[in-house]
Amino acid sequence: ETGVTQSPTHLIKTRGQQVTLRCSSQSGHNTVSWYQQALGQGPQFIFQYYREEENGRGNFPPRFSGLQFPNYSSELNVNALELDDSALYLCASSLQGLAGGEQYFGPGTRLTVT
Amino acid sequence: AQSVTQPDIHITVSEGASLELRCNYSYGATPYLFWYVQSPGQGLQLLLKYFSGDTLVQGIKGFEAEFKRSQSSFNLRKPSVHWSDAAEYFCAVGALYGGATNKLIFGTGTLLAVQP
Repeated sequence: ETGVTQSPTHLIKTRGQQVTLRCSSQSGHNTVSWYQQALGQGPQFIFQYYREEENGRGNFPPRFSGLQFPNYSSELNVNALELDDSALYLCASSLQGLAGGEQYFGPGTRLTVT
Repeated sequence: AQSVTQPDIHITVSEGASLELRCNYSYGATPYLFWYVQSPGQGLQLLLKYFSGDTLVQGIKGFEAEFKRSQSSFNLRKPSVHWSDAAEYFCAVGALYGGATNKLIFGTGTLLAVQP
């Protein structure tokens, strides 16, 4: 069974640029959630994708957007990067429809905005 | 509003000593509760979960947690800590949407240090 993978591992961008982060879900899972973890904080829910559509969104501006593909992999796109976007971005996969289904996390992408 | 509170930011215990990490939640319905562990620079690993039934749940690595509805708590325990347990621990509540977990709401974490 393949776990959740994310790429790249680390990324450095300049304020105002755009970034795309990628996630491959665990085998058999059909739902992907994205979280932002700032330094010293707990992860904050960005949004979730199920059947290639957004299935819930946290308190993040529209410049945070995503995609889910037919193979259930996902992308997180952030436009007009700000310094406060520097964080660890975590992807989690789960099986929608399973009540209380736990989410399995990838290792994360560390984004630094300068 | 849904929230999770971990009152202890940092805890230090001696190797072999017992451990209890506190977690309190605020949620309007029966909660789905989780404990995750995060080693430096790593993602989150699920230690255990509570959905329903027995309020004492067993997890991996010798951890257990007890759900107490009257206290809105879900404290994590381990009878004897190993040096490899040093990490950050996050409690989370699952907010339901359409009958399945939609999102996790995390506490701010407790950083555990283990003294030899």
